[in-house]
Amino acid sequence: GEDVEQSLFLSVREGDSSVINCTYTDSSSTYLYWYKQEPGAGLQLLTYIFSNMDMKQDQRLTVLLNKKDKHLSLRIADTQTGDSAIYFCAESMSGGSYIPTFGRGTSLIVHP
Amino acid sequence: EAGVTQFPSHSVIEKGQTVTLRCDPISGHDNLYWYRRVMGKEIKFLLHFVKESKQDESGMPNNRFLAERTGGTYSTLKVQPAELEDSGVYFCASSQKTGLGEQFFGPGTRLTVL
Repeated sequence: GEDVEQSLFLSVREGDSSVINCTYTDSSSTYLYWYKQEPGAGLQLLTYIFSNMDMKQDQRLTVLLNKKDKHLSLRIADTQTGDSAIYFCAESMSGGSYIPTFGRGTSLIVHP
Repeated sequence: EAGVTQFPSHSVIEKGQTVTLRCDPISGHDNLYWYRRVMGKEIKFLLHFVKESKQDESGMPNNRFLAERTGGTYSTLKVQPAELEDSGVYFCASSQKTGLGEQFFGPGTRLTVL
């Protein structure tokens, strides 16, 4: 199976909250990331969380980590049409060059 | 400050041909990475340069792929001869630090092999 798994699509109404889920297999993962890719653009690091944290909040973004279940989620409050993009979950380990292992990406579609 | 740039943005070639992709990192970034996303699949690491040296090339799929970074500035990724399964989006990223530092990604080159 894949090292990092996430659902492929999510559709939400503008103004609602979006929750994008991700599971990973490597229990030694130290850093977990969320990247955003807008159409025609490169990946942009949205946020990351250390494995010794349960939650991280940054404005409209909330990251929750359940280390026991190896489950990571990204919640976007008050989702806007500009949030439509592909969101990639990724993990990396400490040491080495911190090269992330990515999931397939979740396409978030925000409709009026 | 200019971001990471990649050229071309799109390339369509026939099986057996050669293609060279170019990446210009952010000025001053010693670390340069290549990644590939095959349609609908995960983004996979290909290799990592520190200046002109290959730090990690464990992700390179086979010897049809050759990456260079002469002079430690821009990098090229050559595919020769291209096969159908090489189609995908090739991303380049650069960062200032080798450790946990934000990797800045380019927009990618979409390669289609017919």
